[in-house]
Amino acid sequence: ETGVTQTPRHLVMGMTNKKSLKCEQHLGHNAMYWYKQSAKKPLELMFVYSLEERVENNSVPSRFSPECPNSSHLFLHLHTLQPEDSALYLCASSQYPPENNEQFFGPGTRLTVL
Amino acid sequence: GENVEQHPSTLSVQEGDSAVIKCTYSDSASNYFPWYKQELGKRPQLIIDIRSNVGEKKDQRIAVTLNKTAKHFSLHITETQPEDSAVYFCAAFATPGNDMRFGAGTRLTVKP
Repeated sequence: ETGVTQTPRHLVMGMTNKKSLKCEQHLGHNAMYWYKQSAKKPLELMFVYSLEERVENNSVPSRFSPECPNSSHLFLHLHTLQPEDSALYLCASSQYPPENNEQFFGPGTRLTVL
Repeated sequence: GENVEQHPSTLSVQEGDSAVIKCTYSDSASNYFPWYKQELGKRPQLIIDIRSNVGEKKDQRIAVTLNKTAKHFSLHITETQPEDSAVYFCAAFATPGNDMRFGAGTRLTVKP
């Protein structure tokens, strides 16, 4: 699969588990994003990384911890999540800044927290 | 911060009719307004966008209008087809703060 890939596609975890979501982009972009998509709610921008530096953190709880080791890879580390964190987590990439630059989305990871 | 409201939340039209989706934003610094289409089970994809120095942009059956004074922008789809059925999201981006905010989405159904 080309473009933006995400693994795993589905994840079920207990509230005490620790897991990580992975995103990889093959588009040569220099910015990557994590979004949360819940039912009947707007897409919520969680984190923005540009040139491997975090440039935006929209008041996301500390149980979500992002990591961007290089411009092609982005991780979201999860620990002690709550059931309300169940959602589709979308990764995206673009040239930075996103103004006038299309964001390309990955297929998402469907997360269920029991 | 920016707040984007989108209406309607659901829209059903007959094939061939036009569909209009409206969004309002609150941050006057917003300067870039993309629209994304998300088909069922698929990822969002950009379909059209507009910058704040332009009032209207058209791409075949899709057009977007922007009214900076009123802080609202709209998506217009003409001659709708069943394959236009999807959820459409508007977004507003403000360069100060690098803040991208999305609307809640509009589920468009085009009936054949």
